[in-house]
Amino acid sequence: QQQVKQSPQSLIVQKGGISIINCAYENTAFDYFPWYQQFPGKGPALLIAIRPDVSEKKEGRFTISFNKSAKQFSLHIMDSQPGDSATYFCAASRTGNTGKLIFGQGTTLQVKP
Amino acid sequence: KAGVTQTPRYLIKTRGQQVTLSCSPISGHRSVSWYQQTPGQGLQFLFEYFSETQRNKGNFPGRFSGRQFSNSRSEMNVSTLELGDSALYLCASSLQPGQAYEQYFGPGTRLTVT
Repeated sequence: QQQVKQSPQSLIVQKGGISIINCAYENTAFDYFPWYQQFPGKGPALLIAIRPDVSEKKEGRFTISFNKSAKQFSLHIMDSQPGDSATYFCAASRTGNTGKLIFGQGTTLQVKP
Repeated sequence: KAGVTQTPRYLIKTRGQQVTLSCSPISGHRSVSWYQQTPGQGLQFLFEYFSETQRNKGNFPGRFSGRQFSNSRSEMNVSTLELGDSALYLCASSLQPGQAYEQYFGPGTRLTVT
């Protein structure tokens, strides 16, 4: 019940294209869903996050879509750029008095020029 | 504002030794969490500290321990190191644990056990 499943494991997109990464969770008590971006040699950086009371959140070229009934959420990167090439992690948390994050396995994104 | 800092950045240890890693949270942040990142297991939660108290612990053996000081700085210790402990150890800080408090990660400490 604590798992977060992420797909695909790797993704290659042409510059200017849309990158889509999907995550599914099991625990309906999760109420906070962040996405992190990690470059080699760096720690994960918070990209965007959503709560289950909204179905979509957009920040610049990054959009989270959330489907509560299907227990799925996804990250869309519009107009993908070579600088977006990184590993992306989805995560979920049952907040309240803890910030413990359950992470997906990660997606390595390569954006070709 | 300075980000989360972790020291040392790289460590090489031998099986059986122990190691202590340090984390300084973002100024004003009082909650610190630790994660282990490996290629096989991904990012796994180790423990979380707030107000010098461990609030949550992941599924790791007792060889992994931590503590938090009154200035919110945190340390984690791994005793009797095993080869499988080789990993990137990440520290994350937030204002407080729980709802609406986003976590920010440090660059990590790369531990290699030989």
